[in-house]
Amino acid sequence: NAGVTQTPKFQVLKTGQSMTLQCAQDMNHEYMSWYRQDPGMGLRLIHYSVGAGITDQGEVPNGYNVSRSTTEDFPLRLLSAAPSQTSVYFCASKTPGSEAFFGQGTRLTVV
Amino acid sequence: AQSVSQHNHHVILSEAASLELGCNYSYGGTVNLFWYVQYPGQHLQLLLKYFSGDPLVKGIKGFEAEFIKSKFSFNLRKPSVQWSDTAEYFCAVTPQGFQKLVFGTGTRLLVSP
Repeated sequence: NAGVTQTPKFQVLKTGQSMTLQCAQDMNHEYMSWYRQDPGMGLRLIHYSVGAGITDQGEVPNGYNVSRSTTEDFPLRLLSAAPSQTSVYFCASKTPGSEAFFGQGTRLTVV
Repeated sequence: AQSVSQHNHHVILSEAASLELGCNYSYGGTVNLFWYVQYPGQHLQLLLKYFSGDPLVKGIKGFEAEFIKSKFSFNLRKPSVQWSDTAEYFCAVTPQGFQKLVFGTGTRLLVSP
């Protein structure tokens, strides 16, 4: 039972580069979300999805894109990386009436 | 918009001391409430949750929390902390019927041996 799997675990990007953070879950959860964690700011919601083909913006969506072509996968794309996007990124999934299950996180550094 | 406040940003305790971490939320309707823990270098794990029923909720590792609806609070408690409880603790809320989870800014707990 893998739960929520994120790849990569660590990534260093140069300013202006693009990349995709992968997130997959095997629990058939309809709801998936991406958070970023920064010191003293807790977890802030970037984007979320309530099902395949449906996505919406969270609290801090600028500079990020998402898509949800399948129930299992919810990739997060950084279009043109900036140092302000240096953070730890967590993917989560849940069903109605349950808690959220989190992936192991991706530590991203933009130089 | 919903918000969650955790007033203690850093807490330092000695082993065997009692712990209480405050959490208040702003939402007038029915909510689901959670406490998550993040050990150093790890992802978030659920400590306990409240959906309905008994407002005193017991979780893993001896933690408990009390939901006080009139105070919009969901404080976390543990009678006697251990060094292994050193971690960051997050309170989170979801309005019932919705899916979005809103987090507080977290409380870093350091337990000295």
